Amino acid sequence: LAKTTQPISMDSYEGQEVNITCSHNNIATNDYITWYQQFPSQGPRFIIQGYKTKVTNEVASLFIPADRKSSTLSLPRVSLSDTAVYYCLVGGEGFKTIFGAGTRLFVKA
Amino acid sequence: DAGITQSPRYKITETGRQVTLMCHQTWSHSYMFWYRQDLGHGLRLIYYSAAADITDKGEVPDGYVVSRSKTENFPLTLESATRSQTSVYFCASKSRQDNSPLHFGNGTRLTVT
Repeated sequence: LAKTTQPISMDSYEGQEVNITCSHNNIATNDYITWYQQFPSQGPRFIIQGYKTKVTNEVASLFIPADRKSSTLSLPRVSLSDTAVYYCLVGGEGFKTIFGAGTRLFVKA
Repeated sequence: DAGITQSPRYKITETGRQVTLMCHQTWSHSYMFWYRQDLGHGLRLIYYSAAADITDKGEVPDGYVVSRSKTENFPLTLESATRSQTSVYFCASKSRQDNSPLHFGNGTRLTVT
């Protein structure tokens, strides 16, 4: 699986847009990019996945440039409840799913 | 998710005891995983399984044993618990379809005294 690099932590204020960038320089042709969110005392939950360009759902948007060597998770108008750890994973097939350290997002009032 | 349940939710055991953490999923997912998460850290893969009777080691398998006699169950056993195994343990499952996401249980908080 491709190794990913993302910031260890980020701070934001309520109502702001938050962008978390993940680098994955050795992404393979078949690899998808998947983001998970983890709240304290809970297991991670899937929030969005993409292969190229832009993907949007009710929770977030995912921007992937043409070279696919990075991706950006965008959270619009964050609230206090968006305080969580966000994990970027890259992998197409296979099942040995390894998590990185994630990005700890802290949203302030 | 209601489809994957872990038990017990909390467990305190003594050093040297054997303890088994249970994981049950109702989706008939082929793949199942065990992760541990230490305070303030990310998830580390302990063991994973591609199907019944097929298991393999992850990043940190030492001190743990798994079995998968049925597709829906994936118990994790600590044969002789140590204090370093105090952690939160998460079970997860996913379908065989490529790029399908992981679905996690709510975790078991294990304390070894």
